Amino acid sequence: ETGVTQTPRHLVMGMTNKKSLKCEQHLGHNAMYWYKQSAKKPLELMFVYNFKEQTENNSVPSRFSPECPNSSHLFLHLHTLQPEDSALYLCASSQVAGLNTEAFFGQGTRLTVV
Amino acid sequence: DQQVKQNSPSLSVQEGRISILNCDYTNSMFDYFLWYKKYPAEGPTFLISISSIKDKNEDGRFTVFLNKSAKHLSLHIVPSQPGDSAVYFCAAMTGNQFYFGTGTSLTVIP
Repeated sequence: ETGVTQTPRHLVMGMTNKKSLKCEQHLGHNAMYWYKQSAKKPLELMFVYNFKEQTENNSVPSRFSPECPNSSHLFLHLHTLQPEDSALYLCASSQVAGLNTEAFFGQGTRLTVV
Repeated sequence: DQQVKQNSPSLSVQEGRISILNCDYTNSMFDYFLWYKKYPAEGPTFLISISSIKDKNEDGRFTVFLNKSAKHLSLHIVPSQPGDSAVYFCAAMTGNQFYFGTGTSLTVIP
């Protein structure tokens, strides 16, 4: 596989469930990102990891918990979500955060909270 | 506060003609600008970028123009093809962060 891969592609979870989203990149990049895309809103940055260190947390509620065990993998742990958290969650990677270079995106996980 | 704005949610263009997608930004600290294309059920795909030290970058049918004084970015696609029908996102970068617009849905009519 090449590029940025996200699993699962679709997820339906109840408000009391715990689930995790997974992202893997095969591009040799050192920066990874989580974005949220809600309907009719711009992509919202949630977290940035650079060389496995979290460098940005854009006031994301604690019910979203990221984990970056290495530069190739990024997780988003979900617990006690709300229906308004239903959205498309996109993972991206780039060579190094802060470097003027493009980010490459995965296909996203469509999350529905019921 | 939305720092990158795409004021046209949709655009329709005849095949073979020019498509012009526009983007405005407010933060003068942005130093790198990108356009992404997104098909339904897929993640955004990088299309073309431009550094703030340039005012034009061309790649095949795609040209990005940057007007720093007006804080305005545009993407020109010529000639437009039906396969170009997608949602186009403008993005701007400063520091560690990419800021995205809400997207413009382009339909190229055969």
